[in-house]
Amino acid sequence: DGGITQSPKYLFRKEGQNVTLSCEQNLNHDAMYWYRQDPGQGLRLIYYSQIVNDFQKGDIAEGYSVSREKKESFPLTVTSAQKNPTAFYLCASNGGRDTEQFFGPGTRLTVL
Amino acid sequence: RKEVEQDPGPFNVPEGATVAFNCTYSNSASQSFFWYRQDCRKEPKLLMSVYSSGNEDGRFTAQLNRASQYISLLIRDSKLSDSATYLCVSHSGNTPLVFGKGTRLSVIA
Repeated sequence: DGGITQSPKYLFRKEGQNVTLSCEQNLNHDAMYWYRQDPGQGLRLIYYSQIVNDFQKGDIAEGYSVSREKKESFPLTVTSAQKNPTAFYLCASNGGRDTEQFFGPGTRLTVL
Repeated sequence: RKEVEQDPGPFNVPEGATVAFNCTYSNSASQSFFWYRQDCRKEPKLLMSVYSSGNEDGRFTAQLNRASQYISLLIRDSKLSDSATYLCVSHSGNTPLVFGKGTRLSVIA
């Protein structure tokens, strides 16, 4: 089955540690996205990539970094510079203009 | 900043009721529109695309008014399982989708 996988589902880290969230898709989509969602809030775009080896900052990129070395993979690193990293992180992809955007199941990150 | 605005709700309606949500978008160049549904602590999933001519899928009807820049979603004969947050989305060219913050619906028995 085609889809987007994110791992792990729940992640706990100590304050000051960097952590990398995984996102893999086998939909052959060019574009991939990372969003953050806080309780009761909407989606906020962190980073996006429309093609391999290229990515752009979204609305809240500070304290995050990404890479896009392969079409299938778009990992997100939450660095220690991110002031309030505890949130629900969603990865998404789509196959082109005016097409549906698919989401992965998300990773809940808790920084202790 | 191109935005999509929605009434956050919550809309609390009895089973069987008809409920309508509107959202407005600020980017007049937006070309495609969607409604997504998000259940609590889950990822958003596409409910339906919104076409210029309007479209219907069972109990759900979506309409687009380009002149006034708003999109609507009508749910007829509400079910308990319709309880969720409904996200309005606009899209223009190769830019990322713009999501509204969502409207929360609670269908009550």
